[in-house]
Amino acid sequence: GAGVSQSPRYKVAKRGQDVALRCDPISGHVSLFWYQQALGQGPEFLTYFQNEAQLDKSGLPSDRFFAERPEGSVSTLKIQRTQQEDSAVYLCASSLERLAVYNEQFFGPGTRLTVL
Amino acid sequence: SQQGEEDPQALSIQEGENATMNCSYKTSINNLQWYRQNSGRGLVHLILIRSNEREKHSGRLRVTLDTSKKSSSLLITASRAADTASYFCATDALTGANSKLTFGKGITLSVRP
Repeated sequence: GAGVSQSPRYKVAKRGQDVALRCDPISGHVSLFWYQQALGQGPEFLTYFQNEAQLDKSGLPSDRFFAERPEGSVSTLKIQRTQQEDSAVYLCASSLERLAVYNEQFFGPGTRLTVL
Repeated sequence: SQQGEEDPQALSIQEGENATMNCSYKTSINNLQWYRQNSGRGLVHLILIRSNEREKHSGRLRVTLDTSKKSSSLLITASRAADTASYFCATDALTGANSKLTFGKGITLSVRP
């Protein structure tokens, strides 16, 4: 079956440009997570959706970061006025249940964002 | 901020040997999970151990959890070259209806054929 997919896989942006990263979770998965992974580091939590509701956005580093999941399936992470420090791999994960910590999270391949 | 801290940072072993990786964390948890990440790929879930469990097995994997010491270990027995990857432990931070995983920095495992 299809896993979590993300697009684009690679994105190069000029500083100041806006970018939009897409995540297609596994069909029927209730929970969706976005993580940011810097080179040589572990993923860091950005935000969490339960269906279309964004229940936790405490990890978003600034108000330039915005995420949505309007119909409870596909999610988009938008970064406005990109800065060099935004360069990282952005990972999306989904989980079947509401209380996702009791279930494994299925990760997409990530989008590698490079800001020049 | 990252709660989990894996040890060692890098490990190189010969195929067939066992690999032991450790993880320490700071706050109370509901469960701890281990993930593997191959170069340039997303993470793959390996095993989840709940806070009331002490040991769990899955194939060649054995995970232990000591909540009194706030530590966990992942043992891979009879390692293979295909086990070469980065390994991360992740702990939950369940508050109310929300949930998220906090990952460590990871351990780079190299298995020499």
